[in-house]
This record gives sequence, structure tokens and C-alpha cells, in this order.
Amino acid sequence: AQKITQTQPGMFVQEKEAVTLDCTYDTSDPSYGLFWYKQPSSGEMIFLIYQGSYDQQNATEGRYSLNFQKARKSANLVISASQLGDSAMYFCAWTYGGSQGNLIFGKGTKLSVKP
Amino acid sequence: EAGVAQSPRYKIIEKRQSVAFWCNPISGHATLYWYQQILGQGPKLLIQFQNNGVVDDSQLPKDRFSAERLKGVDSTLKIQPAKLEDSAVYLCASSTSTSGSYNEQFFGPGTRLTVL
Repeated sequence: AQKITQTQPGMFVQEKEAVTLDCTYDTSDPSYGLFWYKQPSSGEMIFLIYQGSYDQQNATEGRYSLNFQKARKSANLVISASQLGDSAMYFCAWTYGGSQGNLIFGKGTKLSVKP
Repeated sequence: EAGVAQSPRYKIIEKRQSVAFWCNPISGHATLYWYQQILGQGPKLLIQFQNNGVVDDSQLPKDRFSAERLKGVDSTLKIQPAKLEDSAVYLCASSTSTSGSYNEQFFGPGTRLTVL
């Protein structure tokens, strides 16, 4: 079965340090997209970054970068220089060629940034 | 540009009652999604519309849930009758994507439903 896994229920990081949130996926489909979303306590899902399966370079968006290791089927999110406002739930999600754009989400990782 | 609007933000009902949620997507977005997010889990797709047609409703409990998207713009999601396990946040999202392409989905603030 095609699935996506986030193994870290919760993570702590010191303010201004970098943190890596893990995400692995399992698919035999060659064409897929990987997303990371942030969900603060207010509840809204905020798009952070996207990586396509055929993209040659790792995606970056400001302080967010995606460590894409295709052979290992992992798509870890790296947040550099953590800020207090980064405290939130983080969800990895993917969509594959047969899903017509539907996102399939992992269970999420709760990140807490300590001052 | 206005984001995805949802109402109400919160709803508390008794089991076996009915409830409806409303979503207004970003102007021009052809694709609209309804997700259910149970506490402690990631969102799960309930139904996807492309304009006013249903693309995927395979995970929609059709015995109690229904959804429509009249004129390809606003959408309503209804639960009738509600069960305790329907307590969740219902998220609406929209995107410009057509079938098979990968585009960012923009989410609304969600409706938090509590069934007592």
C-alpha cells in the first residue's frame, strides 16, 4: 500500500538552531509530489515547500529546505535558525500520479521551539 | 487576494442531529477539496470537486455525508445524522490544478465540529 510516515510525534529545538523533521514514503509510482505543511494552533494549514519526484535539486524556500533522498524514499524538512513562531504541527504530504492531486498526509510532528 | 473562507468556525451538536459547513474557495480556483482531520491525525480527503463535478469521493461516508458545489464556486458539506466519531476539524482547500498536475492547495481555517 502506498503510504507516508512521520516517525517523530514531537520534537524540541532551541531557538536559533536548526531542526530536521523526518518523512518517509512508500510508492512504486515514478511520478509524485511531496509537500510540507505547517499547522499552528489556529488550525489553518500553511504550505511550506514542494518537491517533485523528477526535480534534480532539493527544494528551498527561505529558512525551509527539503532533504530529498529518492533512493531512500525520504523527504525530510530542515528548518534553519528556528524561531518561536515555528512552534506548530508539521505535516508531510504527497500526491502521486494516480491520485489526481489529492494530498495524502502523514500523522504529523509537533515542533516546540524553546527560548 | 482573499483566502479560502469557511463557516462556521465552531459547531457543537448532539448526535443524530444534522449539520452543514460552507466553503468559498479562492476566486478562479477550479478544484475544491474537503478534508476531515481527527484530533492527533493528519487530514484525510473526503471529496474532491473539479469545477462542479465530483472527481473523487471514495472516502466519503455516503450514508451520512453529502457535498455539493453549485455553479463550480461555493461548496457545502452536510452530515446527517451525525455520530460521535464525526467530531473533527473539517478543512476546505482549493487549488488551480487540473487532474494529474501538482499545484499548491490553499486551506481555509477549518470548522471544528464537536458531536455530543
